[in-house]
Amino acid sequence: GAGVSQSPSNKVTEKGKDVELRCDPISGHTALYWYRQSLGQGLEFLIYFQGNSAPDKSGLPSDRFSAERTGGSVSTLTIQRTQQEDSAVYLCASSATGMSYEQYFGPGTRLTVT
Amino acid sequence: AQKVTQAQTEISVVEKEDVTLDCVYETRDTTYYLFWYKQPPSGELVFLIRRNSFDEQNEISGRYSWNFQKSTSSFNFTITASQVVDSAVYFCALSEALRFSDMRFGAGTRLTVKP
Repeated sequence: GAGVSQSPSNKVTEKGKDVELRCDPISGHTALYWYRQSLGQGLEFLIYFQGNSAPDKSGLPSDRFSAERTGGSVSTLTIQRTQQEDSAVYLCASSATGMSYEQYFGPGTRLTVT
Repeated sequence: AQKVTQAQTEISVVEKEDVTLDCVYETRDTTYYLFWYKQPPSGELVFLIRRNSFDEQNEISGRYSWNFQKSTSSFNFTITASQVVDSAVYFCALSEALRFSDMRFGAGTRLTVKP
């Protein structure tokens, strides 16, 4: 499809396990973003990629969180040793270029840590 | 530091009423962009509008209109003749254009339009 896709749509994992969340941006979009949305809350910025590099990692909540982007396209957000407070919807967005352009969001991955 | 405040947590109106969603922002940059996004019950955020800090003209798109006032640091969103399909959470956001930084979102306003 033409939009941003994310997988899986839902993920239930046990506390302490690692998870990988995938984002496939709109073709040609150089900028990619990860956000977290906890239940009933606004969006919390996690990390931003321009191409394959991440000039701003300031939003990652702890060193258990990491992200990479390869080939200027697909990105993976990895959470190691998951905790219950990591339960949230993880949203990915892409934009044609830098921050001043509108971001197109994927449907999100709902992560539940039991 | 940039900040976006959406003071209205929830608003409930009856269909065909007009409703205004407030957004107040803080930034030290002179160049910035403001956005509104809609998040319907399905969950996927939908882009509605982007305005830059140099363009204070109000914008109208169908039943939607936006009032940008730099003097009060506000970027309010009005829905005229609301419809049930307008029920969603609406987010206002700010991006400071001169550096690679995060887009700051407000906490969102949940709008419920009753038939």
